[in-house]
Amino acid sequence: AQKITQTQPGMFVQEKEAVTLDCTYDTSDPSYGLFWYKQPSSGEMIFLIYQGSYDQQNATEGRYSLNFQKARKSANLVISASQLGDSAMYFCAMREGYYNQGGKLIFGQGTELSVKP
Amino acid sequence: NAGVTQTPKFRILKIGQSMTLQCTQDMNHNYMYWYRQDPGMGLKLIYYSVGAGITDKGEVPNGYNVSRSTTEDFPLRLELAAPSQTSVYFCASSSGLAGGPTDTQYFGPGTRLTVL
Repeated sequence: AQKITQTQPGMFVQEKEAVTLDCTYDTSDPSYGLFWYKQPSSGEMIFLIYQGSYDQQNATEGRYSLNFQKARKSANLVISASQLGDSAMYFCAMREGYYNQGGKLIFGQGTELSVKP
Repeated sequence: NAGVTQTPKFRILKIGQSMTLQCTQDMNHNYMYWYRQDPGMGLKLIYYSVGAGITDKGEVPNGYNVSRSTTEDFPLRLELAAPSQTSVYFCASSSGLAGGPTDTQYFGPGTRLTVL
């Protein structure tokens, strides 16, 4: 069965340092997409970064990068040069297959990141 | 550009009451979704739709109903509200194009529902 696991309920990082948020997934489908969303205390869900299962290179978006290790089924989010505004909940999500399966996302339980000044 | 809008933002219901959560998107997206987020948890899919007139159940559909008469609107109906339905409800939409960042789901701001 498809599953997303985030094993770090909470993490602290010093401002300006880099931090890695862990995400492992389980699927038998060779076609899938992995997403990271940020949820600040205001509650909205903000898309950060996407990695497709056939992508040869790790995805990057500004200070966000995704460390994609397909054999290990891991898709860790790396935030470089942390800022106070990065304090939020972070969710890893997976979409199995493409749109023949409705494009549904499965979410992990989240990691709460706190950035210290 | 409004994106995905949801109303109301907050609501308190009594046990047994019914209500409809409204969701509208202005991006001409074919795919729409309803999720619920319980405290300290990730989002779970309630229902989804791949186009007007087509809906299907997600992981936690019991106690809810949906309809999709237009591309823009995807209301979620709660019948006979129960305390277990206390949650934050998110509506989302996506373009339906296979593969890549264009498949991103865009979320509304959420509706915080309390059933007492």
